[in-house]
Amino acid sequence: NAGVTQTPKFRVLKTGQSMTLLCAQDMNHEYMYWYRQDPGMGLRLIHYSVGEGTTAKGEVPDGYNVSRLKKQNFLLGLESAAPSQTSVYFCASTPNPRQPQHFGDGTRLSIL
Amino acid sequence: RKEVEQDPGPFNVPEGATVAFNCTYSNSASQSFFWYRQDCRKEPKLLMSVYSSGNEDGRFTAQLNRASQYISLLIRDSKLSDSATYLCVVRGPGSASKIIFGSGTRLSIRP
Repeated sequence: NAGVTQTPKFRVLKTGQSMTLLCAQDMNHEYMYWYRQDPGMGLRLIHYSVGEGTTAKGEVPDGYNVSRLKKQNFLLGLESAAPSQTSVYFCASTPNPRQPQHFGDGTRLSIL
Repeated sequence: RKEVEQDPGPFNVPEGATVAFNCTYSNSASQSFFWYRQDCRKEPKLLMSVYSSGNEDGRFTAQLNRASQYISLLIRDSKLSDSATYLCVVRGPGSASKIIFGSGTRLSIRP
């Protein structure tokens, strides 16, 4: 029972490089979220999706883009990575906002 | 004022002690409340939902005080394995409502 799977688990990028983080869930959840977590800051919402083909901005969307072409996948893109985007990224999903979220085990991203 | 506030701690208590911490929220119309647990460098995991009448799950008790706009978590007979950061999560009103995570309270249980 995989739940929420994030790939990759670790990545080091140089400033200006691009990359895509993948989140996949096998629970048929409608809602999916991307967060970043920095020391002492808690989880901050980057973007979210309320269903296939939909996306919306969260609290800190600048520098990121997302796509939800398939219900089970939610992609987070960094077009031109900056050192300020060094963080741990978590993906989460839920059937609806009244239910708790299920998290992936995170992607640790360092931008040099 | 932050939308969801927690005392960052750390709370350092001996094994077997009872410990409690609160989380305050600013939107009086908030509808759903949860406690999550996060171990160092791991993903948050649901500990328990918080219901209006209060609820208990083994050694853990959660309470909601709507009048004062806070939720609480009580841990009885604490174990070494309870050492973690506890995150308060609050959902606002409406179908497209915001879900806000507190910054967490660190708990350390000593032998």
